[in-house]
Amino acid sequence: EIVLTQSPGTLALSPGDRATLSCRASQAVTGNYLAWYQQKPGQAPRLLIYGASSRATGIPDRFSGSGSGTDFTLTISRLDPEDFAVYSCQHYAASPLTFGAGTKVEIK
Amino acid sequence: EGQLVESGGDLVQPGGSLRLSCGGSGFSFATYSFNWFRQAPGKGLEWISYISSSTSAIYYADSVQGRFTISRDNSKDSLYLQMNSLRAEDTAMYYCARDSSPNGDSVYWFFDLWGRGTLVTVSP
Repeated sequence: EIVLTQSPGTLALSPGDRATLSCRASQAVTGNYLAWYQQKPGQAPRLLIYGASSRATGIPDRFSGSGSGTDFTLTISRLDPEDFAVYSCQHYAASPLTFGAGTKVEIK
Repeated sequence: EGQLVESGGDLVQPGGSLRLSCGGSGFSFATYSFNWFRQAPGKGLEWISYISSSTSAIYYADSVQGRFTISRDNSKDSLYLQMNSLRAEDTAMYYCARDSSPNGDSVYWFFDLWGRGTLVTVSP
């Protein structure tokens, strides 16, 4: 099973700041089959990125994904007030697909 | 765009059963495959089951194999999860999610539409 480790656990930033979130895999994620989701309390998870770097439909271009192999990054170029949430990565390179524990982006 | 709404979560005793439902609207439900996930308090998401558009393929995580049964009724745009022999460790928010492939013959394994979840608590 591929274990995904996200860091930091919590990121305290201000609106307008740049956020850089890390997702590290215990073994190579073949095909860059990695996705990122946003979760807010009481709301449905939202797909942001798939294939490590492709934005999902309707996702603003301030969200970008990068990386390959075992190291992946989600970058939010300028935090909007609505971006404060928990972000989780998910691989789909092998069975079972697994998720990271999440990074909480909170207001500083 | 579409919407998924889960229901059926409740407080149940260990060893008990529960049936979760997930209703879809605003899209062609029958052409998509679906999954159930859960998230225990303070933990990450966990995939637990998959069903193809035609029900020809069904998969389960080891943690629920033999206890949970996934099904769907395309005439009712609904997905189900029958949960038997429930344990304390099954306590979680349960989510249904749609696979991103609009073609029932292929599976992408990332998920573009999720519900808000329904809470299952297993406790004496």
